[in-house]
Amino acid sequence: DAGITQSPRHKVTETGTPVTLRCHQTENHRYMYWYRQDPGHGLRLIHYSYGVKDTDKGEVSDGYSVSRSKTEDFLLTLESATSSQTSVYFCAISESSNLDEAFFGQGTRLTVV
Amino acid sequence: SQQGEEDPQALSIQEGENATMNCSYKTSINNLQWYRQNSGRGLVHLILIRSNEREKHSGRLRVTLDTSKKSSSLLITASRAADTASYFCATDEAAGNKLTFGGGTRVLVKP
Repeated sequence: DAGITQSPRHKVTETGTPVTLRCHQTENHRYMYWYRQDPGHGLRLIHYSYGVKDTDKGEVSDGYSVSRSKTEDFLLTLESATSSQTSVYFCAISESSNLDEAFFGQGTRLTVV
Repeated sequence: SQQGEEDPQALSIQEGENATMNCSYKTSINNLQWYRQNSGRGLVHLILIRSNEREKHSGRLRVTLDTSKKSSSLLITASRAADTASYFCATDEAAGNKLTFGGGTRVLVKP
């Protein structure tokens, strides 16, 4: 299995609080992605990174920010959590964007109450 | 809206039957990939087909790609109960670095 770890695996937080999810990889892959998965919507891309300090927005980036200061870590921050951000969050990595498969973490289940 | 859209949203078949699902997308792509997700787990890569390929096989999986129609199909032959999962197509847009997914097809294989 690809070395990709998400933490925490489960979190319950209150509305209005900031939350940071961490994705850590040991594969030295260039690309890292954050998705959210909700019933009826499949996986939607939040943000992605194509290198250290190189990030870009996906289709549902409002309310989220990311940082990648090292190749191995990609952080997703919910600046002020809302109930609509209750979801399962998946991190993925790939060596390149157009030649290789993506490897997924096990997901983080976030509940905002 | 999402780049890829799967059809049907759900599929129920008997063990041994074939399962076919389709994916349509909007923009030019470099490649198209199919993934499987078992309940509560992360996605697992099944097969990748490049934009200059029309058909690809891997075990019991057969994928076709029609770039003129911006569509792909995934066929699982001789299905097994263990194939019960959700299946997603993902596209790597030619104009960017993004890997975007469709809404998925839930497949139930009844023993």
